[in-house]
Amino acid sequence: QKEVEQNSGPLSVPEGAIASLNCTYSDRGSQSFFWYRQYSGKSPELIMFIYSNGDKEDGRFTAQLNKASQYVSLLIRDSQPSDSATYLCAVFGNQFYFGTGTSLTVIP
Amino acid sequence: GAVVSQHPSRVICKSGTSVKIECRSLDFQATTMFWYRQFPKKSLMLMATSNEGSKATYEQGVEKDKFLINHASLTLSTLTVTSAHPEDSSFYICSAKREAFPYEQYFGPGTRLTVT
Repeated sequence: QKEVEQNSGPLSVPEGAIASLNCTYSDRGSQSFFWYRQYSGKSPELIMFIYSNGDKEDGRFTAQLNKASQYVSLLIRDSQPSDSATYLCAVFGNQFYFGTGTSLTVIP
Repeated sequence: GAVVSQHPSRVICKSGTSVKIECRSLDFQATTMFWYRQFPKKSLMLMATSNEGSKATYEQGVEKDKFLINHASLTLSTLTVTSAHPEDSSFYICSAKREAFPYEQYFGPGTRLTVT
């Protein structure tokens, strides 16, 4: 079992819709959770982190964490074509683990 | 967010030569930096963890004598690809980790290496 699992996609949503990206992790001792966005040919960019159960909102992005279910998600509201990218979930316990990423395409 | 720079952004070198890539943490001190490589349309692959003042920790299958890592200060880590071969052509990305909770990593912009 991988430490961090993501659905590789591709996930396609129409412009203006909500995109939902999901991630599960195996280490119950994990402390902090991150979402990165990576455009093709570029390096990953940190867009949000969360470490408490519940929701954390930042603009159009909402991260959700459920430690009991070992599940973290990212919602993107009012999706834009510029949101088309690969989204990486990362988890930190005593070391970092990255998921393989979910490819998102927002269709104009 | 924090800023991590990498230099050079692109490099083309001949087979058999060595290439040094620098990674700098510009606005925070980083005891720990990481080096990744990424092939087109593939996932990030962690190569090694660079620790300031001590030897790097390499992932399984990564040759430490080929990929030399030096972390001489709290803001600078270097990766030297020695005796480069065409199969070393890849996108190399460094990151720096904050030492305070939540310990987030910030990535440099990456270096595209082409070995001819």
